[in-house]
Amino acid sequence: DAKTTQPTSMDCAEGRAANLPCNHSTISGNEYVYWYRQIHSQGPQYIIHGLKNNETNEMASLIITEDRKSSTLILPHATLRDTAVYYCIVRVESNYKLTFGKGTLLTVNP
Amino acid sequence: SQTIHQWPATLVQPVGSPLSLECTVEGTSNPNLYWYRQAAGRGLQLLFYSVGIGQISSEVPQNLSASRPQDRQFILSSKKLLLSDSGFYLCAWSLGTAGFFGQGTRLTVV
Repeated sequence: DAKTTQPTSMDCAEGRAANLPCNHSTISGNEYVYWYRQIHSQGPQYIIHGLKNNETNEMASLIITEDRKSSTLILPHATLRDTAVYYCIVRVESNYKLTFGKGTLLTVNP
Repeated sequence: SQTIHQWPATLVQPVGSPLSLECTVEGTSNPNLYWYRQAAGRGLQLLFYSVGIGQISSEVPQNLSASRPQDRQFILSSKKLLLSDSGFYLCAWSLGTAGFFGQGTRLTVV
């Protein structure tokens, strides 16, 4: 699976949009981009995934650049409960292994 | 809908004692199953994964073993715990796309 690079930490004001970047410059054509988050002392929670088109669900939006070398997870109206470590993962669907990097600690401030 | 159960939530065990953590998944068949460990302040480390009954792949050499006696049951074991086995243990399942995690077991070896 391609390697990903994320900032170690980010801050966001409550009510504002949180934009979390992920670099995956070595991504191959059949690799999907997945996003998870882990709230302190809980198991990771799946957020969203995509291949090349932008995706949106009730939690977030995923914007993938045209060359697919980077993506941005957008939380449109961040709340204090969105404070968590956010993980960006790149993998092919047929790869059984699901491996995590260090992620980005997003802190939403009042 | 699918659910994953993992227990116990917390566990304190003496060094040298055995360990058995159980994970069960409901609402799906033939899932891929995973065990992860997260040491304090560290990332998620994939320990084992299984693509079917009796099929276990180990990612790192360690003092732990895993078994899958039934399709939706995954067990993490140790014959003799070490202090370094302390951590947050997470079970997860997937069907080729996103992975879904249990709430974890916090193990403290004393």
